[in-house]
Amino acid sequence: GNSVTQMEGPVTLSEEAFLTINCTYTATGYPSLFWYVQYPGEGLQLLLKATKADDKGSNKGFEATYRKETTSFHLEKGSVQVSDSAVYFCALIPSGAGNNRKLIWGLGTSLAVNP
Amino acid sequence: DTGVSQDPRHKITKRGQNVTFRCDPISEHNRLYWYRQTLGQGPEFLTYFQNEAQLEKSRLLSDRFSAERPKGSFSTLEIQRTEQGDSAMYLCASSFGRFGTSTEAFFGQGTRLTVV
Repeated sequence: GNSVTQMEGPVTLSEEAFLTINCTYTATGYPSLFWYVQYPGEGLQLLLKATKADDKGSNKGFEATYRKETTSFHLEKGSVQVSDSAVYFCALIPSGAGNNRKLIWGLGTSLAVNP
Repeated sequence: DTGVSQDPRHKITKRGQNVTFRCDPISEHNRLYWYRQTLGQGPEFLTYFQNEAQLEKSRLLSDRFSAERPKGSFSTLEIQRTEQGDSAMYLCASSFGRFGTSTEAFFGQGTRLTVV
C-alpha cells in the first residue's frame, strides 16, 4: 500500500543552522508529494509540493526535490529561524485516475529552533 | 472568503454525550475531507465528499460517526455516545478537483475534542 516515512523528531537546531528532514515514500506510479507545516495552535498549511519526478518545490526558503529513484522528498532549508519552529508533515496523494486524492501522511517531525 | 473554517475550535464533553462539528469549506471547492489527528501522530483520513456525495469512508469511522454535506457546501461530523478514545483534533480540508486534476487541500484550524 501507500505510505510515508519521515525522520523522527524532535529536531533541535540553533538559529541559522542547516535543516534536513528526511522523507521517503512507498507508492505505485508517480504520486504527488507535499510538505505541510503546523505551527503551535494552528491548522495545517501547505509549505510546498511537487507533482512529478525531478520537480523541486520551494517556499519561504524551504526546498524539496522529488526523487523517483530513491523515492524521497527530503525537506531542506539553508538557514533556519526561530519562527520556523513547528511540526512538519510529509504527505502524498497516490497517482491514478479515480482516486479521491486523499492525503497519506507521515507522522510529523517536530522542529525547535533556538536563538 | 478567508479559507476553511471549523466550529467550534474546542469542545469538552462527557463520555456518552453526542457532539457535532461543522466545517465551512472554501466556497468554490467541491471536495471536502475530514481527518483526525491525535497527539504526536499524522492526520488519519476519515471521510471524503465530492459535492454532496460521500464517496469514501474510512474503516476508522465506526457506526458512532456520521458525516453529511447536505447541499454540497458546509459539512457536519457527528459523534454519538462519545468515548475517551475519540479525544483528538478533527480537521476539515477542502479542494477543487475536476477531470483528474485538483488544487491542493486547504485545511481549517481544527476542532479539538476532549472527552472526559
